Amino acid sequence: VRLVESGGGLVQPGGSLRLSCAVSGFNFRSYAMTWVRQAPGKGLEWVSTLSGSDGRAYYTDSVKGRFIISRDNSQNTLYLQINSLRAEDTAIYYCTKDPYYDILTGSSRDRPDYWGQGTLVTVSS
Amino acid sequence: DIVMIQAPLSLSVTPGEPASISCRSSQSLLHSNGYNCLDWYLQKPGQSPQLLIYLGTNRASGVPERFSGSGSGTDFTLKISRVEAEDVGVYYCMQALQTPMYTFGQGTKLEV
Repeated sequence: VRLVESGGGLVQPGGSLRLSCAVSGFNFRSYAMTWVRQAPGKGLEWVSTLSGSDGRAYYTDSVKGRFIISRDNSQNTLYLQINSLRAEDTAIYYCTKDPYYDILTGSSRDRPDYWGQGTLVTVSS
Repeated sequence: DIVMIQAPLSLSVTPGEPASISCRSSQSLLHSNGYNCLDWYLQKPGQSPQLLIYLGTNRASGVPERFSGSGSGTDFTLKISRVEAEDVGVYYCMQALQTPMYTFGQGTKLEV
């Protein structure tokens, strides 16, 4: 299993970026995927989850209306479109195979632990 | 949102000695299925987080037996029976009761 994020960089406040996570090693289309971020020197924060089956998306309150999670199952790729960026969005963004969504919906019995290496987003003028 | 509080926030342990980290949640993590929806992660320096314990007490694949998880409801503990140099990093608890809206503790930095 491999998850490789890309798309991070330096962006001005108010700007946008699209993060990508290329996945291999499991049947991507069948599983929920999640973005978690970590501000410099800080802890982990769940950002967003997208189901594999019905396209349901979930967001933490601080990014609702600004971030959009999506996926291209034909390319085994997860995306996070991040708009109206603020200084507090500065973080390493990790993609991960969601740990419990598919167990909760009954479509899986495995507790996965797959993470990418992260991509750094820096919001600064 | 469920708030997760860890203690202590930092810990310095001599190799071979035990270590213990506490995690408390603002509401019970006991699911109706009988499982406690509480995981423990370790983030080693410069690395992505790695799962240690899931559903309160289950060691993840490949995790050494010196790591154990206990607790129920709102109070949980991660114990390392004999700390080794490779155990350095930041330990996080995470609630999964409100899947997928996970919340993490602040992290506990372990120095060896």
